[in-house]
Amino acid sequence: GQQLNQSPQSMFIQEGEDVSMNCTSSSIFNTWLWYKQDPGEGPVLLIALYKAGELTSNGRLTAQFGITRKDSFLNISASIPSDVGIYFCAGSYYTGANSKLTFGKGITLSVRP
Amino acid sequence: EAGVTQFPSHSVIEKGQTVTLRCDPISGHDNLYWYRRVMGKEIKFLLHFVKESKQDESGMPNNRFLAERTGGTYSTLKVQPAELEDSGVYFCASSQEGSGELFFGEGSRLTVL
Repeated sequence: GQQLNQSPQSMFIQEGEDVSMNCTSSSIFNTWLWYKQDPGEGPVLLIALYKAGELTSNGRLTAQFGITRKDSFLNISASIPSDVGIYFCAGSYYTGANSKLTFGKGITLSVRP
Repeated sequence: EAGVTQFPSHSVIEKGQTVTLRCDPISGHDNLYWYRRVMGKEIKFLLHFVKESKQDESGMPNNRFLAERTGGTYSTLKVQPAELEDSGVYFCASSQEGSGELFFGEGSRLTVL
């Protein structure tokens, strides 16, 4: 089946640093999404990407949909303590309502003050 | 506007017992999804409702799992009889018609002893 690869499992950075996370797949996806999960909460959508090559920003977050449609990255600039959490990438073959998402295992981000 | 709500937030049961999880989607969202995350692994798709109809149930593990969405509003996911490997966090998500952006609930953590 389709799989998304996220590594490493954990990342530790200093407050104020930038961090980049990659997500790769052996299959093509037509939609890429990045979610963040805080402890005790459900995943919250950060950025959605719908077009190969698309680069989208949301505040300090920037994400890109790879040209090959098999990868995506998420950048967080000038990290702050509340950036702590689990970051999941997710892909969907469909662009519309049938959004059966395939998730990566997530990267746990820790930010040292 | 209320988000996706799930009940219970945590359930501890013994192997062989039955548990029913409930999800109330965002009002007006026709699409409702169930996902599950087993500890340390990726979030996996279980099934997708469009209104009261099952659009895709390819992710349901086996016939011990039964999902319903009578009337096209809230949904229930029943596990009967529960096994140890059913432990995990069960997420519900909803989206508007034609949208690929899923809004997740906080999840129901199931522990089977």
